[in-house]
Amino acid sequence: AQKITQTQPGMFVQEKEAVTLDCTYDTSDPSYGLFWYKQPSSGEMIFLIYQGSYDQQNATEGRYSLNFQKARKSANLVISASQLGDSAMYFCAMREVVTSGTYKYIFGTGTRLKVLA
Amino acid sequence: GAGVSQTPSNKVTEKGKYVELRCDPISGHTALYWYRQSLGQGPEFLIYFQGTGAADDSGLPNDRFFAVRPEGSVSTLKIQRTERGDSAVYLCASSLSPPAEQFFGPGTRLTVL
Repeated sequence: AQKITQTQPGMFVQEKEAVTLDCTYDTSDPSYGLFWYKQPSSGEMIFLIYQGSYDQQNATEGRYSLNFQKARKSANLVISASQLGDSAMYFCAMREVVTSGTYKYIFGTGTRLKVLA
Repeated sequence: GAGVSQTPSNKVTEKGKYVELRCDPISGHTALYWYRQSLGQGPEFLIYFQGTGAADDSGLPNDRFFAVRPEGSVSTLKIQRTERGDSAVYLCASSLSPPAEQFFGPGTRLTVL
């Protein structure tokens, strides 16, 4: 079974509009973390935002916010006021405990976002 | 400060050859990860080092793949008898220690002809 599911292979958004990128996850680990990364065409993975499983509030970082719905096992990324430079591939990732003190990070297949002028 | 660096940025080799890919993590980062990213896919976990030891190597696809981190800093991913299916971008990431966020290098694009 997929641990991280990103169902939108591609998305378009008009400049200055908000966009939501979907991510659902599957884990039995009570202590996990959820991450979003941006990968522009240059290839480098850029960390955007983190949400811990025990965090009560949704994470926010500037124009990025994470809509964390624990019961539904979803961790959607919301980008407000989209900019042309936001056009990139976006990956959702989950950190799971493997053994005490060791962790594994699992990535989804990504969503390609295109911001239109 | 300097980010994660990887060399070479591109490597073209012939089927059956041996290659080494190098990762220089952010200074002070104890955790180091190797991933493989095929075209149109997300990064696929290969191996994770905590200090000098491989804490989890369950992602290595077969025994042709091996990685070392002898002094707890620079790591080398070694691939023996390369196959065309090994062609991918190999990403390295480091973090202060799990479960902190990872910082990725620019990757090495490996092409096996």
